Amino acid sequence: SQKIEQNSEALNIQEGKTATLTCNYTNYSPAYLQWYRQDPGRGPVFLLLIRENEKEKRKERLKVTFDTTLKQSLFHITASQPADSATYLCALPLSGGYNKLIFGAGTRLAVHP
Amino acid sequence: NAGVTQTPKFQVLKTGQSMTLQCAQDMNHEYMSWYRQDPGMGLRLIHYSVGAGITDQGEVPNGYNVSRSTTEDFPLRLLSAAPSQTSVYFCASSPPGQGLETQYFGPGTRLLVL
Repeated sequence: SQKIEQNSEALNIQEGKTATLTCNYTNYSPAYLQWYRQDPGRGPVFLLLIRENEKEKRKERLKVTFDTTLKQSLFHITASQPADSATYLCALPLSGGYNKLIFGAGTRLAVHP
Repeated sequence: NAGVTQTPKFQVLKTGQSMTLQCAQDMNHEYMSWYRQDPGMGLRLIHYSVGAGITDQGEVPNGYNVSRSTTEDFPLRLLSAAPSQTSVYFCASSPPGQGLETQYFGPGTRLLVL
């Protein structure tokens, strides 16, 4: 069955450093991948979408890569700030598509001053 | 625009009770969906709708019913609540398109079934 894995351990980094989060998937060849941010007690908020024919996508301090051979996406936050502390979720479309998404459990990021 | 709204924010039920979680969006989105989120697990799709009058099952539909009589509203009904349905429920919507559109999530309803 389709499976998404994100590092369940929290990632702790110092302010100003680059945070790198990983999303691995199996038994699947998705047409695209999405990253969301979720703050405690709130719903997820969309950040970036990358298509299967794109190797890299950037938005301000965010960068996402998509390696369909390794079945992996990396999510980078450069010059991280304490305000970036949150849980980050990756999501892939379920077979049958049309916005039916399967989500990873998320990785919690803590940026320390 | 209010975006996606959900009520109630928090609810306690006894086993066997029924209730309806409300979801509304004012963005004229055709696609709406319900997810549940449990600790250590990703969001799991319960039911979804691609437009008024059309609904379908997601990954974990058992114990839940939905209907979509209008574009704006997509209520989720728990028929006979069970402790396994204790979770945080999120409603989401997205505009029509090629299936690449982002989903807009509501603030969630936290449900506790005793």
